[in-house]
Amino acid sequence: DAGVTQSPTHLIKTRGQQVTLRCSPKSGHDTVSWYQQALGQGPQFIFQYYEEEERQRGNFPDRFSGHQFPNYSSELNVNALLLGDSALYLCASKEGNEQFFGPGTRLTVL
Amino acid sequence: RKEVEQDPGPFNVPEGATVAFNCTYSNSASQSFFWYRQDCRKEPKLLMSVYSSGNEDGRFTAQLNRASQYISLLIRDSKLSDSATYLCVVRMDSSYKLIFGSGTRLLVRP
Repeated sequence: DAGVTQSPTHLIKTRGQQVTLRCSPKSGHDTVSWYQQALGQGPQFIFQYYEEEERQRGNFPDRFSGHQFPNYSSELNVNALLLGDSALYLCASKEGNEQFFGPGTRLTVL
Repeated sequence: RKEVEQDPGPFNVPEGATVAFNCTYSNSASQSFFWYRQDCRKEPKLLMSVYSSGNEDGRFTAQLNRASQYISLLIRDSKLSDSATYLCVVRMDSSYKLIFGSGTRLLVRP
């Protein structure tokens, strides 16, 4: 089992651009959550997907959107990038009472 | 006020020392509590869940005081490999949205 996988590992964009990050949950996990972790901070919940629908959303603007596919994989899209969007973006899938995190995508906005 | 507050540290201790981390949470409706460990530039990984009765896993002991809205983690006989950031985490309901503190950094020196 490969665990939670994310791509790409690193990404550099400029202000105003759009970015798409990808996540594949652990085999058999049907719920995917996305988190943003700025430097020196804990992860902040962005949203959660289950059955291809956004089920819960954190305090993030509409520039952050997502999608879940029938195979449970997920994408996070961020439009009109700001310098403050530079962070580690983490995807997590759940099993029982535990959430498993992927290695993250480190996004740098210049 | 942050929902989950931790002392950022760093705590710099010698091998073999006992070290304790504390965390407070603001919402009394919080239902589940965890400690996650995060190594530098890696994803968070579940260290242990925290129960009102207190629980122990080897050298690690976690305590929860619901009345004071306070969570603690005690590490005995510190090892060099314990050096990491320890994240205090709460969950409000069964949605699996995790609320993270900013983390406490531990450095264990030889």
